[in-house]
Amino acid sequence: EELLVESGGALVQTGGSLRLSCVASGFSLSTYCMSWVRQAPGKGLEWVANIKEDGSEIYYVDSVKGRFTISRDYAKDSLDLQMNSVRAEDTALYYCARLYGYDVFDIWGQGTMVTVSS
Amino acid sequence: SYVLTQPPSVSVAPGETASITCGGNDIERMSVHWYQQRPGQAPLLLIYFDSGRPSGIPERFSGSNSGNTATLTISRVEAGDEADYYCQVWDNIGDHDYVFGGGTKVTVL
Repeated sequence: EELLVESGGALVQTGGSLRLSCVASGFSLSTYCMSWVRQAPGKGLEWVANIKEDGSEIYYVDSVKGRFTISRDYAKDSLDLQMNSVRAEDTALYYCARLYGYDVFDIWGQGTMVTVSS
Repeated sequence: SYVLTQPPSVSVAPGETASITCGGNDIERMSVHWYQQRPGQAPLLLIYFDSGRPSGIPERFSGSNSGNTATLTISRVEAGDEADYYCQVWDNIGDHDYVFGGGTKVTVL
């Protein structure tokens, strides 16, 4: 079975930093384009960032550009999201998701919760 | 950026058919994907590339895409279908964003 597991979510103060990680079982992360998608409490889904298999292309939603960095650790076969200068509106459940054909999110993790508080 | 519009809620009796729309400008030129999210769970891919069904998804779930509207149809609705449903496209021409609709809460009466 193909699974994704996120970690790193926590309570963090406004302006602080946090690093989320995602690992896979049943497949290798490095062979897929991967994304982070978030969901604020009681709200809908919002794509955050994605990175191609070889890291050659990276994209972000406008609201996190310059603050968040998506990256891969090929040695650990993991996906990371470095979150800096966090804001209250970054409070959300963050999902790691696999992209199939660059179009569709076919595998999702269970999410890791990030709460930003002053 | 591209916008997808879904009705906030749809109510349906067991055994009946539910249709959930996803509106977008000339959406038929894009590939639309649908996700089901049950309470407290992660999203699950339901329909991909307008009408494809991943392995394990019942045939009761079907999708179509024409003009400015994509539609998810749930036939013979069951109590377990009560969930939030989201449509999604990849705007690979504009901002290279992945866009989700606002979601539709399906209530089984």
